[in-house]
Amino acid sequence: AQKVTQAQTEISVVEKEDVTLDCVYETRDTTYYLFWYKQPPSGELVFLIRRNSFDEQNEISGRYSWNFQKSTSSFNFTITASQVVDSAVYFCALSEADRDDKIIFGKGTRLHILP
Amino acid sequence: DTGVSQDPRHKITKRGQNVTFRCDPISEHNRLYWYRQTLGQGPEFLTYFQNEAQLEKSRLLSDRFSAERPKGSFSTLEIQRTEQGDSAMYLCASSRTRGETQYFGPGTRLLVL
Repeated sequence: AQKVTQAQTEISVVEKEDVTLDCVYETRDTTYYLFWYKQPPSGELVFLIRRNSFDEQNEISGRYSWNFQKSTSSFNFTITASQVVDSAVYFCALSEADRDDKIIFGKGTRLHILP
Repeated sequence: DTGVSQDPRHKITKRGQNVTFRCDPISEHNRLYWYRQTLGQGPEFLTYFQNEAQLEKSRLLSDRFSAERPKGSFSTLEIQRTEQGDSAMYLCASSRTRGETQYFGPGTRLLVL
């Protein structure tokens, strides 16, 4: 069965603090993709990153970084030096090559960055 | 490259009425997906198209729901005899082809009274 778990429902941090959003996934496929999307109050889902199952290299993009560990089935997302504009709901998601790219989303983590 | 667009952005209707939503994918994207998102949840897959062919429908898509993509470009999602449980955000996404990243539109927020 395919499943994505985001155990943190809501997080609040003060601006400039670092924050890590956790994501644990389940899949039986060997070929799969992991994603993070951001959903600001406007409602649009903004694509942040996609990783395939064969690439465990961590990635950094500005203040954002992602830690992919197959051994623990985790794909965590860290925001460094958070800013108020980072406030949003963040979704971790999974798609399996054998299931024709249908994306399975976690329930999301609502992040509040306090000024 | 313009993004995925959806129309309308908001729709309020009375129970029992029919509604239709439109999605325009990114130009030259062959795949088009529909998802539904209820309050406090992540989006859930409804159906998808490869060009004009509808390849799969989720069990979430009851007989009251129908989707089309007549010329392989824009798509419509129609809900007949709406129910209060249909109230949700309906999201459309497109990708260039299989295995490529899906980019989402702004969604249509439906409220059924």
